[in-house]
Amino acid sequence: QVQLVQSGSELKKPGASVKVSCKASGYTFTTYAMNWVRQAPGQGPEWMGWINTNTGNPTYARDFTGRFVFSLDTSVSTAYLQISSLKAEDTAVYYCARGDLSEVRGVMSYWGQGTLVTVSS
Amino acid sequence: SYELTQPPSVSVSPGQTARITCSGDALPQKYAYWYQQKSGQAPVLVIYEDNKRPSGIPERFSGSSSGTMATLTISGAQVGDEADYYCYSSDSSGNYVFGTGTKVTVL
Repeated sequence: QVQLVQSGSELKKPGASVKVSCKASGYTFTTYAMNWVRQAPGQGPEWMGWINTNTGNPTYARDFTGRFVFSLDTSVSTAYLQISSLKAEDTAVYYCARGDLSEVRGVMSYWGQGTLVTVSS
Repeated sequence: SYELTQPPSVSVSPGQTARITCSGDALPQKYAYWYQQKSGQAPVLVIYEDNKRPSGIPERFSGSSSGTMATLTISGAQVGDEADYYCYSSDSSGNYVFGTGTKVTVL
């Protein structure tokens, strides 16, 4: 069965960096797009962008350029989200979510359990 | 930036029909998707491409779209359907956005 297992919660200080992992199993990793979604406490989800798991080409949503990097290690079927220069407003649950095609569209069929990143001094 | 606007809340009695609207300027050209999110859980896709239901989603969930408005309908709502519902679509540049969200209460 398809599973996306994310790394555990993180507590970081402002200005630090964090790397969240999303390990996929139960399917061929390079077949389907991987999306990243952020959800701040008490807020709705925000689409951060996606990465083509076949080519490694990332696409970032307008509000997630500069400090956010999507990457892959296809040898271990894992996608990564790195956030640098963390700010308090980056405090949120971050989800990886698998698409149903190699290119992004609105379908996100499988989701990781979410990783809480807390930024606090 | 592109916005998808939903009513903040919808309340129905068990067995009644709940309708959630989503308004967006690009909806005449772009598909609408709907996600259900229960407290403390990841979102779940309940409708894709305006009106298609993924396998495993009950038939009481249906979707439609006309002009700049998409609608999610829960026919015969159950207490277990209480959740936040988000529409999801893209703008003309291919950037996806979630709607403002609707809290559905069934009581």
